[in-house]
Amino acid sequence: QAVLTQPSSLSASPGASASLTCTLRSGINVGTYRIYWYQQKPGSPPQYLLRYKSDSDKQQGSGVPSRFSGSKDASANAGILLISGLQSEDEADYYCMIWHSSAYVFGPGTKVTVL
Amino acid sequence: EVQLVESGGGLVQPGGSLRLSCAASGFTFSSFEMNWVRQSPGKGLEWVSYISGSGSAIYYADSVKGRFTVSRDNAKNSLYLQMNSLRDEDTAVYYCARVSIGDWGQGTLVTVSS
Repeated sequence: QAVLTQPSSLSASPGASASLTCTLRSGINVGTYRIYWYQQKPGSPPQYLLRYKSDSDKQQGSGVPSRFSGSKDASANAGILLISGLQSEDEADYYCMIWHSSAYVFGPGTKVTVL
Repeated sequence: EVQLVESGGGLVQPGGSLRLSCAASGFTFSSFEMNWVRQSPGKGLEWVSYISGSGSAIYYADSVKGRFTVSRDNAKNSLYLQMNSLRDEDTAVYYCARVSIGDWGQGTLVTVSS
C-alpha cells in the first residue's frame, strides 16, 4: 500500500471550492507530519503552495493567495488542501508530500479541472 | 533571489553513466539540505536523493540505491548527482530542489535509450 494516496482527478466550477485530500497509509499518523502541497502546470517545475501540520505550525508559500489553505482530517488520517474561489488558472496537478522514514514521499497527484 | 540551475542532462545508453550538476545562489548553500527529484514523462514526482547541509546525512530512494551517488561542494555552492548503470526507467526530468522550502530549478532532461 502506498504511503500517500490522492484522488486522481477533481472537477469543479469557477468560484466553487475544491477540497483535495492526501491520505496517509494506515499506521502512519497524520498528526505527526508536516504535509507539503505543490501545484504543477504543464512544462513547469512544481510551485510550492504551503505546508501544514497544525494551526500553530503552518506556512504559506511566498506570494501564494490566501484562498489556498491547509488542514487535516484526523478521522480520515488525511491532509487537506482547500482551494476557495476556484479560478481557471488553478487548473493544474497538485501533489502532497511528507518526510517519512528518511525519505521525502510524494503523493501520486490530483489533476484539478476547472469547468 | 534564490536560483537553482541544473545541467548535465542528455541522451545516454542503458548501462551508461551521467553526472548532473546544480548551481545554487541567493542563499547560504551550506546551511540547507538539498534534494534531487525526478519526473518521468507524463508521470508524477519521485524523490530521488537527499543530502544534508554538511553532507553528513545522505538518503536515497530504493529505486536508485547503489546506482546513484549524491554529493555537494559547499565552497562552490554546487550539488551533484552521479548516475551509473542507467536504465530506461531512469528517463526523466531531474530537478534540484529545496523541497521543504519550495525552491526548485527548471530541471534537466535525462533520456536513457539505445
